[in-house]
Amino acid sequence: ESVLTQSPATLSLSPGERATLSCRASQSVSSYLAWYQQKPGQPPRLLIYDASNRATGIPARFSGSGSGTDFTLTITSLEPEDFAVYYCQQRSNWPITFGQGTRLEIK
Amino acid sequence: EVQVLQSGGGLVQPGGSLRLSCAASGFTFSGYSLSWVRQTPGKGPEWVSTISISGDNTYYADSVRGRFTISRDNSKNTLSLQMNSLRAEDTALYYCAKDVRRGGGGMDVWGQGTTVTVTS
Repeated sequence: ESVLTQSPATLSLSPGERATLSCRASQSVSSYLAWYQQKPGQPPRLLIYDASNRATGIPARFSGSGSGTDFTLTITSLEPEDFAVYYCQQRSNWPITFGQGTRLEIK
Repeated sequence: EVQVLQSGGGLVQPGGSLRLSCAASGFTFSGYSLSWVRQTPGKGPEWVSTISISGDNTYYADSVRGRFTISRDNSKNTLSLQMNSLRAEDTALYYCAKDVRRGGGGMDVWGQGTTVTVTS
C-alpha cells in the first residue's frame, strides 16, 4: 500500500501569500497523484490530476509538481476562498490512498 | 450539466445490509471508471471501491472486501454499492465519484454524499 504523508498538518498564511503543500509517498506513484480541496459540508473538489494537470475550472494560481515520491501543490497568491483542507491521493496502485490532509488557515 | 445524485443510506443495525445508488447525467457514463469513497467527520477521505468502465473489473479496500459489492448499469447510468454484514466502523458519509479521465487520474465529479449509520 502506498502511504501518503502530507506536510505540514496545518499552514497559517495570510491572503496574498504563497502556499506550498507537500505530499510524500512511501513508494513511487509515478505521476499518478491528485490534489483535492475540501470545505466543510462539501465533497472533495479535484484541483490537480496526474501531478500537474489542472482540472476544469481550476484557477491558474493552483499548480502541482513532482513525480515518484515527492509532490507539491502551490497556490501562488492566496484568495479568501482558498482556506480549506487539502488532500493528495494516489492512483498508481491498489488500494487507492489519500493523505491525511493539510489544513490551510488564515493567519 | 454534469450531475450525480445519490440515494440510499440510512440507519442500520450491525450485521445488516444497505444499498447505495448513484444516478448520473451530463456525461458519457460508460466512458469512465467509477468509485465509492467514504469519510467520517474530521478525517480524510477513504477509498472504498472502484469499478471499471465495462464493469468487468472491480477493486475493493481490504476493510470491505467480501462484504461490499460494487456494480454499474451503463444502460441506466447508475452505480450501486451493496453493503452487507455492516459494522459500526462502516459508519460514514459515502460519496460516489467518476474518474477525470480513462485509466484514473483523479475524481472530478462527486455526488452530494449519503450517510450510513451502523448502530444497535
